[in-house]
Amino acid sequence: QSALTQPPSASGSPGQSVTISCTGTSSDVGGYDYVSWYQHHPGKAPKLMIYEVSKRPSGVPDRFSGSKSGNTASLTVSGLQAEDEADYYCNSYAGRSNKYVFGSGTKLTVL
Amino acid sequence: EVQLVESGGGLVQPGGSLRLSCAASGFTFSDHWMTWVRQAPGKGLEWVANIRQGGNEKYYVDSVKGRFTISRDDAEKSVYLQMNSLRAEDTAVYYCVRRLGSWFDPWGQGTLVTVSS
Repeated sequence: QSALTQPPSASGSPGQSVTISCTGTSSDVGGYDYVSWYQHHPGKAPKLMIYEVSKRPSGVPDRFSGSKSGNTASLTVSGLQAEDEADYYCNSYAGRSNKYVFGSGTKLTVL
Repeated sequence: EVQLVESGGGLVQPGGSLRLSCAASGFTFSDHWMTWVRQAPGKGLEWVANIRQGGNEKYYVDSVKGRFTISRDDAEKSVYLQMNSLRAEDTAVYYCVRRLGSWFDPWGQGTLVTVSS
């Protein structure tokens, strides 16, 4: 069960957009529309931002959006704000034996 | 308010055991899968184990299979993680999480487990 691949870091200035990728295989990301994204401010509980590839829970700003193409899922944050600075993790259902796998994590910096 | 509160973390020697607990409130606990996720220092999140409603299905990441056991008590609205034969690489913050469909929400604040001599 290898971690999904995310870029270690991403950055953008306030108001800009940034996209974070999450690459897996046909056994996880590519095989199911069960990708979710989490925002994690160190020392706090992670927070669900996107589920089932592109659905947004109530309370999450519409600046956050998700998509998927083949074995790669993406999280886009538009209109960057200072409070968006955090670690972001993708997660995918990995089939066999009801297992799940997280991405390696991306540190988003708002310049 | 949906809430998950973990307890039971601490310092343990390699080869030792520890039992983590998670108390749930604010939702019908017995209706949901529950999950443990961990984060080692400086590392990313790692899914550890799932348990189905009723407790008759349990799944584990390969690295803890045979050493960790997830269980639940629906009357107490609690989920547990019994950790045996602990190794240094098990050092992490352990989060209790409710599973909804294929996603995880909400997360507890976490409890720190340190395996060291």
